[in-house]
Amino acid sequence: KAGVTQTPRYLIKTRGQQVTLSCSPISGHRSVSWYQQTPGQGLQFLFEYFSETQRNKGNFPGRFSGRQFSNSRSEMNVSTLELGDSALYLCASSDGDIDNSPLHFGNGTRLTVT
Amino acid sequence: GESVGLHLPTLSVQEGDNSIINCAYSNSASDYFIWYKQESGKGPQFIIDIRSNMDKRQGQRVTVLLNKTVKHLSLQIAATQPGDSAVYFCAENGNNFNKFYFGSGTKLNVKP
Repeated sequence: KAGVTQTPRYLIKTRGQQVTLSCSPISGHRSVSWYQQTPGQGLQFLFEYFSETQRNKGNFPGRFSGRQFSNSRSEMNVSTLELGDSALYLCASSDGDIDNSPLHFGNGTRLTVT
Repeated sequence: GESVGLHLPTLSVQEGDNSIINCAYSNSASDYFIWYKQESGKGPQFIIDIRSNMDKRQGQRVTVLLNKTVKHLSLQIAATQPGDSAVYFCAENGNNFNKFYFGSGTKLNVKP
């Protein structure tokens, strides 16, 4: 099976702009989670989608949003970008029907805000 | 909220030696734990997991130990190889679907 695919790999944006990141999960996985990784805060949970519904949400401002499509592909959007949003954004998929199943991560989108 | 931390930020070992990476967690209700390996430029890669009804689980060259009494998790890597050089994270699931809390990571350097 193909792994989790994230596009694009790199993005450079300016403060105030918005950005959309895309994630294709492993075939058959219906749960998609998003994490932000920074040197200072480590890996932090953003949100999780399962069957097109947000099932869980982390402690990020409303500028961070996401959605999931019927084919389980997911997008996350960050509006009104701030310098502090510069980070590696990781998408992970799992078989959300099974309790305690591992997350499988993509290689991330590196976002730089200038 | 939960916190998952690592005792050692950097660990250097000689090739062929065994490595032990430690992790402390704070939520006694957590029932699922995972170790991940992250190489430069890549996303975290699943290594091994363990559920709270177990105290030990073995994989290929890796063993995870769970001590619920002191809320401690460890990853043992046997016969460490240069390819094992990476940052290792522990992750804890507080029984909240796929909302995992990650430790701050330990960098493992394997010296040839």
